[in-house]
Amino acid sequence: GIQVEQSPPDLILQEGANSTLRCNFSDSVNNLQWFHQNPWGQLINLFYIPSGTKQNGRLSATTVATERYSLLYISSSQTTDSGVYFCAVLGLDSSYKLIFGSGTRLLVRP
Amino acid sequence: GAVVSQHPSWVICKSGTSVKIECRSLDFQATTMFWYRQFPKQSLMLMATSNEGSKATYEQGVEKDKFLINHASLTLSTLTVTSAHPEDSSFYICSAKSGPSRFFGPGTRLTVL
Repeated sequence: GIQVEQSPPDLILQEGANSTLRCNFSDSVNNLQWFHQNPWGQLINLFYIPSGTKQNGRLSATTVATERYSLLYISSSQTTDSGVYFCAVLGLDSSYKLIFGSGTRLLVRP
Repeated sequence: GAVVSQHPSWVICKSGTSVKIECRSLDFQATTMFWYRQFPKQSLMLMATSNEGSKATYEQGVEKDKFLINHASLTLSTLTVTSAHPEDSSFYICSAKSGPSRFFGPGTRLTVL
């Protein structure tokens, strides 16, 4: 099946810093989403981005489908950005199974 | 965005008992819902796909007789952990499809003593 790798696995930032999270996937995909899991476990949709670039406030994401990777940019990080960021993809051969990467654990210090 | 709720948010039970977890799509209809399991500091693992009006599809290695799934309506899927044991303790999360996106419930933390 499709493999999803995220890097870095852990990241510590000082408040106000910028960061880039990466998601590599092993095959063509129909769907790619970025999620933020807060400390209480809730998964929050950040972006649905199978290709192209999107921005939402301090967050933006870019997916280059032909090269099988996606990037999540966090600018001017805040302590509330702490948590785990997951990338998840839907392979072309799996109509409904969203496959998650291992996540990037982010801690933003005040 | 679409809202998915789960109940209960946490449950503690004795070994050997059964626990039912409900997943509801609040403002949309979901013919397909998904159940995930997450261990501490790990990623989400898909357990099964729940289809309204038909049998669930289980992932390899997931015991269908232990994790009973019922999707009786377009807004409700339930997961019952039967004869729970301490190794079933985990964080269970449901998800529903709305358009091309997936939305997740807040999760249920199960502790089996």
